[in-house]
Amino acid sequence: AQSVTQLDSQVPVFEEAPVELRCNYSSSVSVYLFWYVQYPNQGLQLLLKYLSGSTLVKGINGFEAEFNKSQTSFHLRKPSVHISDTAEYFCAVSSSGNTPLVFGKGTRLSVIA
Amino acid sequence: DADVTQTPRNRITKTGKRIMLECSQTKGHDRMYWYRQDPGLGLRLIYYSFDVKDINKGEISDGYSVSRQAQAKFSLSLESAIPNQTALYFCATSDLGQGVSETQYFGPGTRLLVL
Repeated sequence: AQSVTQLDSQVPVFEEAPVELRCNYSSSVSVYLFWYVQYPNQGLQLLLKYLSGSTLVKGINGFEAEFNKSQTSFHLRKPSVHISDTAEYFCAVSSSGNTPLVFGKGTRLSVIA
Repeated sequence: DADVTQTPRNRITKTGKRIMLECSQTKGHDRMYWYRQDPGLGLRLIYYSFDVKDINKGEISDGYSVSRQAQAKFSLSLESAIPNQTALYFCATSDLGQGVSETQYFGPGTRLLVL
C-alpha cells in the first residue's frame, strides 16, 4: 500500500523568507501526487498536483513542487512567504484511479512577522 | 452556495449515543469520502463510495457506518459514540477524470465532541 511521509510536523519561517515543505512517498510504478492546504477553521483545498508530464508543477499562491522519481519525493516550495500562508499543508498520493488518496500527517507552517 | 456542505458543523454528544453526520454535494461527482482529522495524525479515511451502489471501508472503519442515499448525499453514522471518536470529520467528493486520480473537494468539516 502507498504511504506518505511528511518529514516536518512544524515549520516556522519569517515573512518573505523561502520555505520548503518535504514529502516522500513509497515507491510505485505510477504515482499521482497532490499538495493540499488547510487554513485555520476551514476544509482542505488543492494547492497543486502532479499527474504526468513536467516534473515541476506550479500551483496557486506562488507555490510550486518538484516530482523527483529517483528520490521518491515531492517537496513543496515558495520563494517568499506571507503571513497569509500560515496553514497546515498535506501531501497526498494515489497510485491509480481506483485507489483513494493517502494523506501524510501534515506540516504546520507558521509565518512570523 | 458551497459545493460540499456538511451538517451539523458542530456537535456535542454523550457516550453511547447514535449520531449521524450528513454530507451533500452539488458538484455532480460520483465519488464521495469520509475522513477524520486528529492532531498529529493527518487525515484518515473512514469510508468511501465510488458510486451510489458502491461502499468501501477505509483505514479506520470500525465503529462507523455509512449510507449513500443518492449521488449527492453520503451520511456517516456512529452507532454508539465513544470519546476517542472526538475529532474533526470531513466529507469530500471527486470525479475520475482521464482515468487517473483527480482532485478531491472538501466540505468545511464537522467538529464532534463525545463526552
